[in-house]
Amino acid sequence: NAGVMQNPRHLVRRRGQEARLRCSPMKGHSHVYWYRQLPEEGLKFMVYLQKENIIDESGMPKERFSAEFPKEGPSILRIQQVVRGDSAAYFCASRLTGMNTEAFFGQGTRLTVV
Amino acid sequence: QQQVKQSPQSLIVQKGGISIINCAYENTAFDYFPWYQQFPGKGPALLIAIRPDVSEKKEGRFTISFNKSAKQFSLHIMDSQPGDSATYFCAASTEETSGSRLTFGEGTQLTVNP
Repeated sequence: NAGVMQNPRHLVRRRGQEARLRCSPMKGHSHVYWYRQLPEEGLKFMVYLQKENIIDESGMPKERFSAEFPKEGPSILRIQQVVRGDSAAYFCASRLTGMNTEAFFGQGTRLTVV
Repeated sequence: QQQVKQSPQSLIVQKGGISIINCAYENTAFDYFPWYQQFPGKGPALLIAIRPDVSEKKEGRFTISFNKSAKQFSLHIMDSQPGDSATYFCAASTEETSGSRLTFGEGTQLTVNP
C-alpha cells in the first residue's frame, strides 16, 4: 500500500504564475487535509476535503487559493497569481474515516516563487 | 483558543540522555494529542499519540505524559540517540468540531550529540 503521494516534490514559479499541487491519498482514505509549512515554523491547517466536498476551508486564504478532491483522481491545491510569500512547503495528509484515526503525511511539495 | 504552544524551540542532548519537549493547549475540546517526527526534506510521521483518558503512554523509548487539569503534555525520549535528531511537533485535534484537523505546535529541533 503506497503512502500519500504528492507531486511535484519541488516547484518553481515566477510571480504571477499558477501553481498546481497534487495529492493522491492512501488507498481507502477518504479524508484529505492540506497544510502549509513556512521555513522554521510549524504546519498550519489550510483545508479539509472529502470526496467532491470541501468540509472546512477556514485556514485557506480567501483569494488566489482553491482546493478540490474530485470523485476520480488526486486532490489538487491551486494557487493563482503566486507571490513570494507563497513560498513554502505544502503537505497533504490523509486518513480513514473514524474518530481521530492516524493522519499519514506525504513528503510535501516545496514551492519556490522567484 | 486553537493554539498549541511548544517549548523549547531547540534542544541539544548528549547520546544516552533524556530529551523532554513540552506542549500546552487552551481548547478543552481537544481529545487527541499526537507527536510527529520530521526529518529534513520529509513529511511529518506519527511517533506516538495519547487521548485524555490516560495520563501516560509509553512506546519503546518514547513516553507521553499528559496532565489534563493543567492542559499540558510532554514527550520524553529516553536513551536519546543521534538518529533521533529531527524536528518534533506536538499537535492536538478534536473530531467533533473540526473533523480531526491537526493544530500543531511550533516545533522543537532536537540534536543528539554522539
